[in-house]
Amino acid sequence: DVKVTQSSRYLVKRTGEKVFLECVQDMDHENMFWYRQDPGLGLRLIYFSYDVKMKEKGDIPEGYSVSREKKERFSLILESASTNQTSMYLCASTHIPQDSPNYGYTFGSGTRLTVV
Amino acid sequence: DQQVKQNSPSLSVQEGRISILNCDYTNSMFDYFLWYKKYPAEGPTFLISISSIKDKNEDGRFTVFLNKSAKHLSLHIVPSQPGDSAVYFCAARTSGSRLTFGEGTQLTVNP
Repeated sequence: DVKVTQSSRYLVKRTGEKVFLECVQDMDHENMFWYRQDPGLGLRLIYFSYDVKMKEKGDIPEGYSVSREKKERFSLILESASTNQTSMYLCASTHIPQDSPNYGYTFGSGTRLTVV
Repeated sequence: DQQVKQNSPSLSVQEGRISILNCDYTNSMFDYFLWYKKYPAEGPTFLISISSIKDKNEDGRFTVFLNKSAKHLSLHIVPSQPGDSAVYFCAARTSGSRLTFGEGTQLTVNP
């Protein structure tokens, strides 16, 4: 069974801390994504990566950075955590798109981050 | 600029009846549309998709309809079951593999 694994289900961090959220996939997927989910706002794309050492900004990259040193691992970094970054963070991966009726992402279970 | 919108934050239906979840989009370059289902404390899971060259796709109790002229798609669940209670996200794809998601609709199916 294919998996996207996020290292922590729940995290509590203090304002100003540097926070690392880790995501690992075992499907040899090229594309990986970080979203955050907030009530009434849905899933918003923070950063994504099409290959090792490549990264692209999503819709809300401010205050975040990413690292992809290995194909299977995509890390989200909060340089200096703030309370408005309290959210559910979701990692996803997918293969290079093909004309498949079942095209889509595989998501991890999410990390609920609270910044106090 | 919200390119994918789900205008109903919540929907409540009786078990056995039809659930209809709606989604509107503004970008005519979207070529693929998907629905995801999300339970609390879990990641979203893929439910069903439709290519922009189709107007209907069916998978068991789930059917997605696409009306390109209206830039509207809908998900029909028949018959609805209590286990269908979850948040449903509509998503759309442009170039590459990037998906744009809507705000989500909380479906509650009452026994």
